[in-house]
Amino acid sequence: GAVVSQHPSRVICKSGTSVKIECRSLDFQATTMFWYRQFPKQSLMLMATSNEGSKATYEQGVEKDKFLINHASLTLSTLTVTSAHPEDSSFYICSASLLMGGYTFGSGTRLTVV
Amino acid sequence: DAKTTQPPSMDCAEGRAANLPCNHSTISGNEYVYWYRQIHSQGPQYIIHGLKNNETNEMASLIITEDRKSSTLILPHATLRDTAVYYCIVRVAGGNQGGKLIFGQGTELSVKP
Repeated sequence: GAVVSQHPSRVICKSGTSVKIECRSLDFQATTMFWYRQFPKQSLMLMATSNEGSKATYEQGVEKDKFLINHASLTLSTLTVTSAHPEDSSFYICSASLLMGGYTFGSGTRLTVV
Repeated sequence: DAKTTQPPSMDCAEGRAANLPCNHSTISGNEYVYWYRQIHSQGPQYIIHGLKNNETNEMASLIITEDRKSSTLILPHATLRDTAVYYCIVRVAGGNQGGKLIFGQGTELSVKP
């Protein structure tokens, strides 16, 4: 089946630094990818939609200058959390839509900002 | 996309069937019902989806009422590894690839020995 590989699985960074999270589609081309964040005991919240070769579309309330999304190829999308602060600590998950319908998800990245 | 309503939590005894309900009274004619689950600290996993007919696969069965306003996900023989949060989502599928998937609060299923 279609697999999205997300890396790293967990990262700890210092406050003020930037962190990049990568999602790769391993055996298919992902024209559209989605980025979610999830706080403890809460549901997934959609942050943005990225289409290959164009600018990402951000959901209301999500700072596009803080959460930089790049989708330069059909197999790779990246999310960079810039100038991270403790409140950015969360579980970040990527997803890709499939041509036949449905979605496949990465395994998630646990970000801890100290 | 139509909104869904699910109970926040349910318990099930190991080996018994787990029946997870979902209400989607505003579902449109071209919207499918999708079920995903999320085991703690992992990405969501696809379970099953359907339009109006009942569906079954190796993981579960999906029963959709005739008026399509509600559905039930059935795990026929729940195991401890089925403990997870289960999300019911309705959205257009097929020729509308790329549309965003919005998650509700889901049902936290606890399978107990």
